[in-house]
Amino acid sequence: DGGITQSPKYLFRKEGQNVTLSCEQNLNHDAMYWYRQDPGQGLRLIYYSQIVNDFQKGDIAEGYSVSREKKESFPLTVTSAQKNPTAFYLCASSISISGGIYNEQFFGPGTRLTVL
Amino acid sequence: KNQVEQSPQSLIILEGKNCTLQCNYTVSPFSNLRWYKQDTGRGPVSLTIMTFSENTKSNGRYTATLDADTKQSSLHITASQLSDSASYICVVSEGRGSTLGRLYFGRGTQLTVWP
Repeated sequence: DGGITQSPKYLFRKEGQNVTLSCEQNLNHDAMYWYRQDPGQGLRLIYYSQIVNDFQKGDIAEGYSVSREKKESFPLTVTSAQKNPTAFYLCASSISISGGIYNEQFFGPGTRLTVL
Repeated sequence: KNQVEQSPQSLIILEGKNCTLQCNYTVSPFSNLRWYKQDTGRGPVSLTIMTFSENTKSNGRYTATLDADTKQSSLHITASQLSDSASYICVVSEGRGSTLGRLYFGRGTQLTVWP
């Protein structure tokens, strides 16, 4: 069963704690992405990776960190430096980083993070 | 500045009725435009994709149109069903020459279908 999985579905964190959100894909895609979604706003890009051991900051990378040690996995860590971390986090993957009609981004089911 | 604007922000219709959602964009250079459906608490799923040369694309009861000259797109839903209740997001991809293939997301139109 191919696709993108994210875990956990719901995550609660106390202020000052780091948490890591998991993203795994078995689509053999090279590129992976993390987005943040807030109510009434469009998706905003946090980090993206086009190949193993390489990743780049997106528009709102401050307070977040990522790693890409395996092609299938792209975990996101929300650090205590992120001032407003409560949001819905979406992971996506695509064949490659380049644009074009055939390079669709496929999204995971999301993780809802709530800071208590 | 590259932007994607959607209207209306929210819409309520009765089951069986038709509706049309709008998307205006300023993204340049333009590669393609996708409409995604996002159910509450889930990830977006692609409905249609159109390039510069296409002006209509259908997927079942969903029909998207694109006017690349005026930079406008619409998504028409025919004979709505309760399962159509979701957020519909317009996503525009930057054109050739962009290493990232950068996507620009609209804020979405929240559609509610009542029985």
